[in-house]
Amino acid sequence: GAVVSQHPSRVICKSGTSVKIECRSLDFQATTMFWYRQFPKQSLMLMATSNEGSKATYEQGVEKDKFLINHASLTLSTLTVTSAHPEDSSFYICSARFHRTYEQYFGPGTRLTVT
Amino acid sequence: SQELEQSPQSLIVQEGKNLTINCTSSKTLYGLYWYKQKYGEGLIFLMMLQKGGEEKSHEKITAKLDEKKQQSSLHITASQPSHAGIYLCGADPHGGAQKLVFGQGTRLTINP
Repeated sequence: GAVVSQHPSRVICKSGTSVKIECRSLDFQATTMFWYRQFPKQSLMLMATSNEGSKATYEQGVEKDKFLINHASLTLSTLTVTSAHPEDSSFYICSARFHRTYEQYFGPGTRLTVT
Repeated sequence: SQELEQSPQSLIVQEGKNLTINCTSSKTLYGLYWYKQKYGEGLIFLMMLQKGGEEKSHEKITAKLDEKKQQSSLHITASQPSHAGIYLCGADPHGGAQKLVFGQGTRLTINP
């Protein structure tokens, strides 16, 4: 149980285009999901907290207009990187909080490369 | 803001040996999470510890939380190649299981 999936696992896009990443909790409902970014050989950096049915809460320094988050249902949150640039290339990981135990489960990540 | 310091940053051990990874917080730990990550992959949930000197074990991995010292340790007994990876501790800085802040990770290598 407690499986979180992400799609796609890898994506390459051109500068100026937008990319959508999906995060799904497969066997539990998650009122709260989190989006992280990880640079090579570094730890995770929280980007935003996604709450079902309400606006996401962004961390300081994260552009909300660039990283659009939508938590449309109790099992799905999406992150859209708008007008992507090469500096947006990174490993994006989502997590979902299991409401009963507060355990957080992570997806397998999405590697974004912007050319 | 809460900061987590992991030690050591990297560790190389012989297969079959025991090892310990530490995670020290600058502030009170309301919840401490341990994850394992392989490069380029997601995080695998290992254990979550809450206040009060809690200790949990799963297979050959034991994690302890010492609230007074604001520290948690992860101990692996009789290490195996499958234990290799990056171990991350994450903390819930405010309670209520919201966002997590992470340590910088410990890279574990197991030599056969």
